[in-house]
Amino acid sequence: NAGVMQNPRHLVRRRGQEARLRCSPMKGHSHVYWYRQLPEEGLKFMVYLQKENIIDESGMPKERFSAEFPKEGPSILRIQQVVRGDSAAYFCASLTGGRNNEQFFGPGTRLTVL
Amino acid sequence: KNQVEQSPQSLIILEGKNCTLQCNYTVSPFSNLRWYKQDTGRGPVSLTIMTFSENTKSNGRYTATLDADTKQSSLHITASQLSDSASYICVVNTNAGKSTFGDGTTLTVKP
Repeated sequence: NAGVMQNPRHLVRRRGQEARLRCSPMKGHSHVYWYRQLPEEGLKFMVYLQKENIIDESGMPKERFSAEFPKEGPSILRIQQVVRGDSAAYFCASLTGGRNNEQFFGPGTRLTVL
Repeated sequence: KNQVEQSPQSLIILEGKNCTLQCNYTVSPFSNLRWYKQDTGRGPVSLTIMTFSENTKSNGRYTATLDADTKQSSLHITASQLSDSASYICVVNTNAGKSTFGDGTTLTVKP
């Protein structure tokens, strides 16, 4: 997973602030997934994006959360007006596309909401 | 509803011993099943991928099995090492590319 970059690795926000999480996929990968992992729990799917398109956002909360993957630059997961329950590790994974292709995970961003 | 259930939730074994982790799924239409290893504080890393026609696949000391009829998979770890301590996650993918993750089995290998 060394090729997928996420930043910041750790992010602390106060309730009501905005959190912006960035994911740079591996070179040549045009698909990105975002997952959330609460403490002591498994990864939960949030959103699946291709360049400039949201393919599946069925796992994303309908309010305060948004994601984009622009033509140029990293994928961004934005959480507005954060609450304590948003504290979690957020992982992105990239792949070239194709149903059997491996998802390569980034190291995650650990968000703490005070 | 697509579901992946893993057992046991956690497991403690002594270094050098073998262990087997279980994964039961109800995911349709099935495309493939992956086992991932997630070290503490890191992202998951793929260990094996099993497609419908494959019954067993090895990757070093890791051997995965798949019974597509009963919708069960197992991950067998041989001669465990301290570095095997991690969370092992079973992920089942559909033809549409949707992934369903199990909650993982936390393995602790003690000296």
